[in-house]
Amino acid sequence: EDQVTQSPEALRLQEGESSSLNCSYTVSGLRGLFWYRQDPGKGPEFLFTLYSAGEEKEKERLKATLTKKESFLHITAPKPEDSATYLCAVQADSSASKIIFGSGTRLSIRP
Amino acid sequence: GAGVSQSPSNKVTEKGKDVELRCDPISGHTALYWYRQSLGQGLEFLIYFQGNSAPDKSGLPSDRFSAERTGGSVSTLTIQRTQQEDSAVYLCASSLARTGGREKLFFGSGTQLSVL
Repeated sequence: EDQVTQSPEALRLQEGESSSLNCSYTVSGLRGLFWYRQDPGKGPEFLFTLYSAGEEKEKERLKATLTKKESFLHITAPKPEDSATYLCAVQADSSASKIIFGSGTRLSIRP
Repeated sequence: GAGVSQSPSNKVTEKGKDVELRCDPISGHTALYWYRQSLGQGLEFLIYFQGNSAPDKSGLPSDRFSAERTGGSVSTLTIQRTQQEDSAVYLCASSLARTGGREKLFFGSGTQLSVL
């Protein structure tokens, strides 16, 4: 069964303190791995798509990386406005119509 | 419209009543998804549409849940005889992807359903 597990569940950082969020996945053939950001009371907003091991994508203070078993979302020198829940999702070759989400990491950045 | 629109934004109903939730996707998006998000949880897949067809209904929790899409656009999720465990945020998303495509999803803000 395809699964996505994110850790930690919650992370509190001081402004400027860099860290990483983890997304471990088990799928029978990865078609794509996605990162989304979700603010309270809103739907998720797309950040990145990764397709193959070794791939990296960057956007402002965020960088996403991918291996054959997991993905990391690195956040460098975060600011309070980076506070949100970050969701990882995978699309498998075996069930390409279904995109499976993890339970997310709630990130809080203190000024 | 510019984005995915869902209505109502909030719905309070009594146990046993039927509810209908509406989703207006981005114009031209052929793929449409429904997800359910319980408090503090991730997104639970419910159903996927490609055009008006639903090739994947595997996430619907019970036969009380049904969904349809007409004209390749608007979709309605119907929950019959609502139960308290149905309380959650119901999210709709659309994308340009054809079946198996890897296009990103655009989400609406969701409908908060509360069953008393």
